[in-house]
Amino acid sequence: GAGVSQSPRYKVAKRGQDVALRCDPISGHVSLFWYQQALGQGPEFLTYFQNEAQLDKSGLPSDRFFAERPEGSVSTLKIQRTQQEDSAVYLCASSLGGGIQETQYFGPGTRLLVL
Amino acid sequence: AQSVAQPEDQVNVAEGNPLTVKCTYSVSGNPYLFWYVQYPNRGLQFLLKYITGDNLVKGSYGFEAEFNKSQTSFHLKKPSALVSDSALYFCAVRDGGSNYQLIWGAGTKLIIKP
Repeated sequence: GAGVSQSPRYKVAKRGQDVALRCDPISGHVSLFWYQQALGQGPEFLTYFQNEAQLDKSGLPSDRFFAERPEGSVSTLKIQRTQQEDSAVYLCASSLGGGIQETQYFGPGTRLLVL
Repeated sequence: AQSVAQPEDQVNVAEGNPLTVKCTYSVSGNPYLFWYVQYPNRGLQFLLKYITGDNLVKGSYGFEAEFNKSQTSFHLKKPSALVSDSALYFCAVRDGGSNYQLIWGAGTKLIIKP
């Protein structure tokens, strides 16, 4: 079946612009995660949804970052007034259930470059 | 605080030789441990996980990992390396509490030479 998809794959933004990154999880997956991966580093947790509920947003670096999943499927990560330090790969992952042992399946990521 | 260490930035192995990619962890509760592989311009692919039970876990593409509680390690292994195994490997941990975050190591670049 189809895996996790993300769009756009690449985004170049001028500093100060707003961007929206989309994630389509695997159909039927309850849990959805967003991570930020800087060059040469491991991913860092941003936020977690179970269905439409955002259960953990402790990793969002500032109030410029906002995520939503209004119908419990597609999710959007929005970054307002982008800064150069926001340049990174943004990864989305989904898992079937809400259990802590669940495997997370990742999309290809969106590479954001802020000039 | 939870943490994961991958002490080697890069591991070089000749094709056909066994390979080991090291991972150590620190969690407050019971660990849930994962290995992922990342190829250039592609997402993270799940290899294997340890939840409970047998300390030797077998995964995709002939990889396996051994959970060692006393050494807090979860090293990734493969008996015979292939050139196509060359990629970036990440170890991740989640503790047994209610925290759903995966905590990741910095990654190890594995280079298999023909």
